[in-house]
Amino acid sequence: GAVVSQHPSRVICKSGTSVKIECRSLDFQATTMFWYRQFPKQSLMLMATSNEGSKATYEQGVEKDKFLINHASLTLSTLTVTSAHPEDSSFYICSARDISGLGNSPLHFGNGTRLTVT
Amino acid sequence: AQTVTQSQPEMSVQEAETVTLSCTYDTSESNYYLFWYKQPPSRQMILVIRQEAYKQQNATENRFSVNFQKAAKSFSLKISDSQLGDTAMYFCAFMKPPPGGYQKVTFGIGTKLQVIP
Repeated sequence: GAVVSQHPSRVICKSGTSVKIECRSLDFQATTMFWYRQFPKQSLMLMATSNEGSKATYEQGVEKDKFLINHASLTLSTLTVTSAHPEDSSFYICSARDISGLGNSPLHFGNGTRLTVT
Repeated sequence: AQTVTQSQPEMSVQEAETVTLSCTYDTSESNYYLFWYKQPPSRQMILVIRQEAYKQQNATENRFSVNFQKAAKSFSLKISDSQLGDTAMYFCAFMKPPPGGYQKVTFGIGTKLQVIP
């Protein structure tokens, strides 16, 4: 089945530093990837849509200068949390859909990244 | 904008019994897709079952089945012969394929299911 690899699974950083999270589709191509944030015991909130070769589309209320997204190839999207603060601590999940799939093909999710900013 | 509502924050079921998780949604679209995802303690999102809105037949996947009522905008998940491994958060999700080729998915807030031995 389709596999999405997300790395790192867990990261702790100091306030003010930047953290990069990678999302790779291992056995399929994805022109679009999605980045979600999940607070404890809450649902997934879409942060942005990452488009291969073009700018990401951010959801309302998400700071694009703080959450930098790059989608340089059909298999890799990165999310960089810049100048991280403790309130950025959260669980971040990426997802992707196989571009060769049917219209009802579901999203495939990475295992998520637990970010803790101290 | 689409909304997905899951009105049961937590549920429990005895092992081997049947449980139904409810989900309603709001949309003005006629063509869309619905999903149930499972998130166990590992936090990995796992697809449980999917339904195309244009199909009247309810989807089934082994012990999992849905009751899709398009007019009522209802999409409930039935788990039969519940197993301990079914313990997880269950998210109902809505996807509309817009023009342009990418699909945004809207998730409900989830239902925490506990299977009791």
